[in-house]
Amino acid sequence: EVQLVESGGGLVQPGGSLRLSCAASGFTFNIYWMTWVRQTPGKGLEWVANIHQDGSEKYYVDSVKGRFTISRDNAKNSLYLHMNSLRAEDTAVYYCARDEISLTYWGQGTLVTVSS
Amino acid sequence: QSALTQPPSASGSPGQSVTISCTGTSSDVGGYNYVSWYQRHPGKVPKIMIYEVSKRPSGVPDRFSGSKSGNTASLTVSGLQAEDEADYYCSSYAGSNNLVFGGGTKLTVL
Repeated sequence: EVQLVESGGGLVQPGGSLRLSCAASGFTFNIYWMTWVRQTPGKGLEWVANIHQDGSEKYYVDSVKGRFTISRDNAKNSLYLHMNSLRAEDTAVYYCARDEISLTYWGQGTLVTVSS
Repeated sequence: QSALTQPPSASGSPGQSVTISCTGTSSDVGGYNYVSWYQRHPGKVPKIMIYEVSKRPSGVPDRFSGSKSGNTASLTVSGLQAEDEADYYCSSYAGSNNLVFGGGTKLTVL
């Protein structure tokens, strides 16, 4: 059974940093692109970033470029999102998902709240 | 990277059909056959219902169908059932490995 379990969310002050993790199981992690998607309170879904199977390609939504970094550790079947210079508008539930266009499996999400 | 446009709500009675639209531009919906639709029940994980405009993953009832015309994609749910009541989101490939989502449509089964 495919499982994606996010962790690392929490309350952080504006300008702060946070690292999200996503533990994957039930599939061969290193042959899939992986994606981060977020949902802001009361709003729809927003694609955040994705990463190639071997980490050689990474893509970001404009609003997080230069502040967020997506990475992965295939030996640990884990996906990460390093978030710096956090802003109030980054407050959202962050989901990791498998694949890069048709997101076939999603995690339950982890809540990030940016507030003073 | 503008969001795709979906109606905020849609509704239908059990057994009826309902269609949800998803409007983008020639840079996303109109430019690629990579439109997906996701269903999300409250508190649940999003579930992919349609991919590549009209393909259904195994296990998705054939009551769900997808199509596209120009810059607008559509999800049709036929023979509405109570369990179809959920939020539905469309997404489209937008080039340069970017993905764009719609704002979501709340489907109510009357």
